[in-house]
Amino acid sequence: DAGVTQSPTHLIKTRGQQVTLRCSPKSGHDTVSWYQQALGQGPQFIFQYYEEEERQRGNFPDRFSGHQFPNYSSELNVNALLLGDSALYLCASSIPGQGTETQYFGPGTRLLVL
Amino acid sequence: AQSVTQLDSQVPVFEEAPVELRCNYSSSVSVYLFWYVQYPNQGLQLLLKYLSGSTLVESINGFEAEFNKSQTSFHLRKPSVHISDTAEYFCAVRSNNNDMRFGAGTRLTVKP
Repeated sequence: DAGVTQSPTHLIKTRGQQVTLRCSPKSGHDTVSWYQQALGQGPQFIFQYYEEEERQRGNFPDRFSGHQFPNYSSELNVNALLLGDSALYLCASSIPGQGTETQYFGPGTRLLVL
Repeated sequence: AQSVTQLDSQVPVFEEAPVELRCNYSSSVSVYLFWYVQYPNQGLQLLLKYLSGSTLVESINGFEAEFNKSQTSFHLRKPSVHISDTAEYFCAVRSNNNDMRFGAGTRLTVKP
C-alpha cells in the first residue's frame, strides 16, 4: 500500500513565477491537508480539502490556492512567488474526522525561490 | 486559538541516557495532542497521540508522553535513547475544528 506521495521532490523558481505542487493521498483517504515548513520551524497549516472543496484555511494569502480532484489527489498552487515562499511543502492525508484522526504525511516538496 | 511551545530547540544526549522533550500548549477548548518525528529529508511520522482516557500514552519504540491538564503539558520521554532516535521532534495540538498547530520542533541529537 503506497503511502502519501508528492511531486516533484525539489523545485527551483524565481520571484514572480507560479508553481504547482502535487499530492496523492494514502489509499482509502479522501481528505488532504497542506502545510508549509520553513527552515528551522514547525509546519504551518495552509488549507484542507475534502470532497473537492476547501474545508478550512490557515493564515495564508490568496496567492496560495488549491484543488482536489475526484480521485482525491490534490494540487497546491502558489502565484507571484516571493523569496519567503522558500520552504518544504508537506501534504498530509486522512479520513474525515473531528480532530482525532491521524494525518499521514508525504516526504514533501522542497521549493527554493531565487 | 491553540498554540504550542516546545521549550528546547536542541537536546544533545549520550546514547542509553534518558531524555525528556518538553511541550506546553495553550487552548480554551478541549484538545488532542500529538508528537511527530521527522528524520532528515523525510516527512513527519506520528509517534504517539493523546485523545482521551489514560493520560499516559506510549509508542512502539519506547517513547511515552503524559498529558497533564493542570500544567497544560505533554512532555515526551524515553528512558534510554539510541543513535537511531536522532531526529527532529514536533509537538502538535488540535481541536474539533481540525486546525493542527505545531511547535517549532526540538532537535534531538544522540551521541555515542
